[in-house]
Amino acid sequence: AQKITQTQPGMFVQEKEAVTLDCTYDTSDPSYGLFWYKQPSSGEMIFLIYQGSYDQQNATEGRYSLNFQKARKSANLVISASQLGDSAMYFCAMREGWADSSYKLIFGSGTRLLVRP
Amino acid sequence: NAGVTQTPKFQVLKTGQSMTLQCAQDMNHEYMSWYRQDPGMGLRLIHYSVGAGITDQGEVPNGYNVSRSTTEDFPLRLLSAAPSQTSVYFCASSTGTDSYEQYFGPGTRLTVT
Repeated sequence: AQKITQTQPGMFVQEKEAVTLDCTYDTSDPSYGLFWYKQPSSGEMIFLIYQGSYDQQNATEGRYSLNFQKARKSANLVISASQLGDSAMYFCAMREGWADSSYKLIFGSGTRLLVRP
Repeated sequence: NAGVTQTPKFQVLKTGQSMTLQCAQDMNHEYMSWYRQDPGMGLRLIHYSVGAGITDQGEVPNGYNVSRSTTEDFPLRLLSAAPSQTSVYFCASSTGTDSYEQYFGPGTRLTVT
């Protein structure tokens, strides 16, 4: 079974509008963390935001927020006020547990976001 | 701070050749890892290390070797390159604190013909 599922291969959004990128995850470990990374066309991986399984509040970082719904096992990324520079691939990833193995990141297949002017 | 550096940026190999992808970090991170990214896919873990002298396999370790003799360096060796190893390779390091956020290098694009 897929541990991280991103069901939207591609999305469009109008500049200045908000967009939600979906991510669902599967784990039986009570301790886990969820990440979102951005990969622009230049290829580097840019960390955006992190949510721990025990965090009470949804994570926010500037225009990025993570809509964490634990019971539904979803961790959607919300980008507010989209900018042309937000056009990129976005990956959801998960780490499980707190042991050495928790350093492993499991990635979804990504969503390509295109921001229209 | 240079962060995580990788060399080379691009490499073309013939089937059967061997080579080493270099990775170094100057942040004194204990944890380092190698991922590969195939077209249209997310990253998959090849090998990782939780400290000097300690390495372990990830999801797709076959055809690759690693060693970690220093905290700073974590080279990835391709023993006998195959076309299936054509990919973009990312090295990452982590502090292992709080979120376990991983800092990625710029990647090496490898083509095996």
